[in-house]
Amino acid sequence: DGGITQSPKYLFRKEGQNVTLSCEQNLNHDAMYWYRQDPGQGLRLIYYSQIVNDFQKGDIAEGYSVSREKKESFPLTVTSAQKNPTAFYLCASKTSEAGTDTQYFGPGTRLTVL
Amino acid sequence: SQQGEEDPQALSIQEGENATMNCSYKTSINNLQWYRQNSGRGLVHLILIRSNEREKHSGRLRVTLDTSKKSSSLLITASRAADTASYFCATPFVRQLTFGSGTQLTVLP
Repeated sequence: DGGITQSPKYLFRKEGQNVTLSCEQNLNHDAMYWYRQDPGQGLRLIYYSQIVNDFQKGDIAEGYSVSREKKESFPLTVTSAQKNPTAFYLCASKTSEAGTDTQYFGPGTRLTVL
Repeated sequence: SQQGEEDPQALSIQEGENATMNCSYKTSINNLQWYRQNSGRGLVHLILIRSNEREKHSGRLRVTLDTSKKSSSLLITASRAADTASYFCATPFVRQLTFGSGTQLTVLP
């Protein structure tokens, strides 16, 4: 059963805490992405990784950090420096084959700051 | 960064009617994609149309692309209640996809 999974589905954070969102894929995709979605809005890119041990900042990277130690995994840490982290977080992956732009999305994690 | 913008922001129709959503973008593209998002879920890829294509069909979906106007439309024919979702267009930009803010489609039974 191939796909991309995210955990947990719901996450609650107290102010000042760091939390880590998990993203795992078994699609053998090289590229992985993290997006943030606020209510009624589109997706904004936080970080992306084209290959293991390499990642780049997206449009809204401040207050977030990532790692890419394994091809299958791309965890996102929401740090205390992110002042308004309550949002829906989506992870996606994509093959690196030339001319292929379609991304495959996980089910998302909803983060709420208490 | 370039970004697609969907129009209308919200659309409400009766089951069986057709739904049309539009997307405008800013710069030249190689392709344009449409995705669907059910409430509280991840996005699902629907269809990709390349810049040298003017129209593409997939089941009840029909996508058009007008590169001279930098616009695309998504038509869903004979809509069903299960089509209720948000629909996003996405365009590739420097190894990324940029998404519009979406059209919320509600299909009433």
